[in-house]
Parts: sequence; structure tokens; C-alpha cells
Amino acid sequence: KQEVTQIPAALSVPEGENLVLNCSFTDSAIYNLQWFRQDPGKGLTSLLLIQSSQREQTSGRLNASLDKSSGRSTLYIAASQPGDSATYLCAVRRRNYGGSQGNLIFGKGTKLSVKP
Amino acid sequence: EAGVAQSPRYKIIEKRQSVAFWCNPISGHATLYWYQQILGQGPKLLIQFQNNGVVDDSQLPKDRFSAERLKGVDSTLKIQPAKLEDSAVYLCASSSYRDRGSGANVLTFGAGSRLTVL
Repeated sequence: KQEVTQIPAALSVPEGENLVLNCSFTDSAIYNLQWFRQDPGKGLTSLLLIQSSQREQTSGRLNASLDKSSGRSTLYIAASQPGDSATYLCAVRRRNYGGSQGNLIFGKGTKLSVKP
Repeated sequence: EAGVAQSPRYKIIEKRQSVAFWCNPISGHATLYWYQQILGQGPKLLIQFQNNGVVDDSQLPKDRFSAERLKGVDSTLKIQPAKLEDSAVYLCASSSYRDRGSGANVLTFGAGSRLTVL
């Protein structure tokens, strides 16, 4: 059974600091891994998607890495801003028998607070 | 493009009462998902529809939860009777296409319906 763990559960940093959020998963048979952002009272917004064959993806100040063999992913946020304050969720998509896409399995998230 | 619409946004009921949530996906999206997100947890898939057929409902507590997607468009999720542990945000998501580069299903989430069971 796939389990996704995110550390830390909460993080508070001063504005401008670079930071890393961690995600680990127990089953390396994944189709892809996604990082989402969730603001209070709102749905999830997809930030980055990494295919199982890829090592990293970048979008603006965000960089996500994937080490499938060790079951780990990191989300790096450069030069953090107060507007980055949100909960960040990691989710892995299982690879079903036969290679088709399975469901998304989410971690519990890391609640980030960036202080001005 | 309009997003995924959900209603009501908030609902408070007493245990053993019933409740229904409605979702209107993005126009043309064939796949629709209902997720349950308990406070402090990540979303958990309850049911997935492809058009109006059920693809996966393995984690849906079928003794009290039901969902339908008539005509392959709107969907409703019903809970009857509700229990205290059903307090959560119920998220609806839809998808219709695969990312060109990855081939992955790309989901768009609604804002969710927050249920409090007293």
C-alpha cells in the first residue's frame, strides 16, 4: 500500500529565505509525482508534475526533484514571499498493473508561513 | 474557462441527518472525482466517474455514501446518515486531457464543500 509522508508538517520562515519541503513515498512503482498548493477555503492548484522517468521540474521560483529509487521528492522555493504562504501537498500517482495510471495518493501537506 | 463549481460551500448538520453536495465540472471534462479531505489530512479519493460510469469507488463507504453522475455532466454526493467522522471538506475535481509532455491526467479542483457534523 502506497503511503506518502511530508515533513515538516508546518514551517515558518522570514521573507526572502530559500526553503525545502520534503516528501517521501513507500512504493517506487509510481506513474508521476505532483506538488499542489492549497489556500484556505480554496481547492488545490497544481504546481509541478514530475514523470517517473524525470529527475526534476522547474517553474519560476519553484523546483521539484524526484529520486524514485529512494522514494523521495523535494520542493525548493527560492526567495520566499508572503504570498507563498499556503499548504503544500505532495501526491503520487500509482502505476497500475499493465502500466496504466492509478489514483493520486496525497500526503498530509506542509503548512508554510512566510513572514514579512 | 469556468472552473469546477461546488455547492453548498458550507453545511452544518446533526449526526444521523442527511446531506447532499453538488458538483458541476468544467464543460467537456469526461472524468469527475470526489475527494474527502479531513482536517490535517491529504485528500482521499472517494469515487471516480468516467462520463456517467463509475471507474473506482473502492474507498467509498457504501453503507452511507452514494454518488451519481447523470448524463455524464453534474454529479451529486450524498451522505445518509451522517456520522461525526464525516466532518470534512468534500472536493470535486474534473479532468479531460493529458499533459502533452507527460501524458498525465491533469485535474482541476473546485473550492470544496465543508461539512460539519455535530
